Amino acid sequence: EADIYQTPRYLVIGTGKKITLECSQTMGHDKMYWYQQDPGMELHLIHYSYGVNSTEKGDLSSESTVSRIRTEHFPLTLESARPSHTSQYLCASSTRNTGELFFGEGSRLTVL
Amino acid sequence: AQSVAQPEDQVNVAEGNPLTVKCTYSVSGNPYLFWYVQYPNRGLQFLLKYITGDNLVKGSYGFEAEFNKSQTSFHLKKPSALVSDSALYFCAVRDNGNSGYALNFGKGTSLLVTP
Repeated sequence: EADIYQTPRYLVIGTGKKITLECSQTMGHDKMYWYQQDPGMELHLIHYSYGVNSTEKGDLSSESTVSRIRTEHFPLTLESARPSHTSQYLCASSTRNTGELFFGEGSRLTVL
Repeated sequence: AQSVAQPEDQVNVAEGNPLTVKCTYSVSGNPYLFWYVQYPNRGLQFLLKYITGDNLVKGSYGFEAEFNKSQTSFHLKKPSALVSDSALYFCAVRDNGNSGYALNFGKGTSLLVTP
């Protein structure tokens, strides 16, 4: 069982609100990722990090931002949420040696 | 770019019958291939991976996958399906390093096992 945690699991907010989705892992993994999963199930990489102070944008353009101040923590922030941001956000981590990603349970965001 | 394709949106199988969920890949170089399962309102759970070696890979919950280089396929299989296997299944390939070795996922296949 992987030790990667996401909070909140579910969030319903109004348009224009600022939100932060938290992601923490206790495995000491250097690489971390955020994926967006749309209602059609497909997963898209929106952010990734090689390690502390490293953040990069993924394949899918996103208005969200991330930070990586500590190895174990990789929060995602939306400064002004819109209904188009309604989605499930999945955080993951990995080490290069094994290759597989370990996922959190996800944060389901609904913007009204 | 490394990519995978899952040609079936849904697979229906009767309990006790063998199941196959299909995946084909398109890569440059040697592929690192993965299968994940997702239950409703949950994250993705790792099932198995192929990096090198034996073409038949065994994973969690009785699942296995066969790497076929000539057909560029990595189909997921199980000899006897359970109702509890009903879930979303994702095939994935590791990126070559342009995105932190992230995984590129297929669109997913919904597996329904009926009693």
